[in-house]
Amino acid sequence: SQKIEQNSEALNIQEGKTATLTCNYTNYSPAYLQWYRQDPGRGPVFLLLIRENEKEKRKERLKVTFDTTLKQSLFHITASQPADSATYLCALEDMGRRALTFGSGTRLQVQP
Amino acid sequence: EAGVTQFPSHSVIEKGQTVTLRCDPISGHDNLYWYRRVMGKEIKFLLHFVKESKQDESGMPNNRFLAERTGGTYSTLKVQPAELEDSGVYFCASSQGARSGAGELFFGEGSRLTVL
Repeated sequence: SQKIEQNSEALNIQEGKTATLTCNYTNYSPAYLQWYRQDPGRGPVFLLLIRENEKEKRKERLKVTFDTTLKQSLFHITASQPADSATYLCALEDMGRRALTFGSGTRLQVQP
Repeated sequence: EAGVTQFPSHSVIEKGQTVTLRCDPISGHDNLYWYRRVMGKEIKFLLHFVKESKQDESGMPNNRFLAERTGGTYSTLKVQPAELEDSGVYFCASSQGARSGAGELFFGEGSRLTVL
């Protein structure tokens, strides 16, 4: 089964800087990779989805890259704001199976 | 438009008792999922409904867990009898489903279950 690794340590950055979060997986490349945001006591909120044949996807201040050779996805938040502080979850979906495999998440703290 | 709603938000029961969690998906979403997060672990898939049919229940931990989705609308997840290791947060999610793949999932706020 897939094993997903996200930095377990919190990422602390200054407001206005770019935050970069990493998601590594160990086995075969998934068909799709998704990123979610989760605030304490709340459910995950969908941010972006990228397909295995896509290298990069953007949405406003967010950018996701997908490198199937490195088995890695990077998630960037540009011009970060304190309101971006949350836990960010990476989730993989295998072709033909709609179940998501989640990473443990990385907590981002943006300091004003 | 209402999002995914889950009830109860928190349930505290004794070991051996029964608990039923309910999920109301977004109207028109045929796909309904149950996930859970136990303490210190990742969110894990339990099962997937398409309308009233169980499409994939490979994540259900054992036969103490029973999920239903009568009529293809709301869903219930019953744990009977509950054990200490069942404590955690149970999330429900729904989606319209993309042409291929799960697509964007809309999650509820979760039902926290504490088994004493």
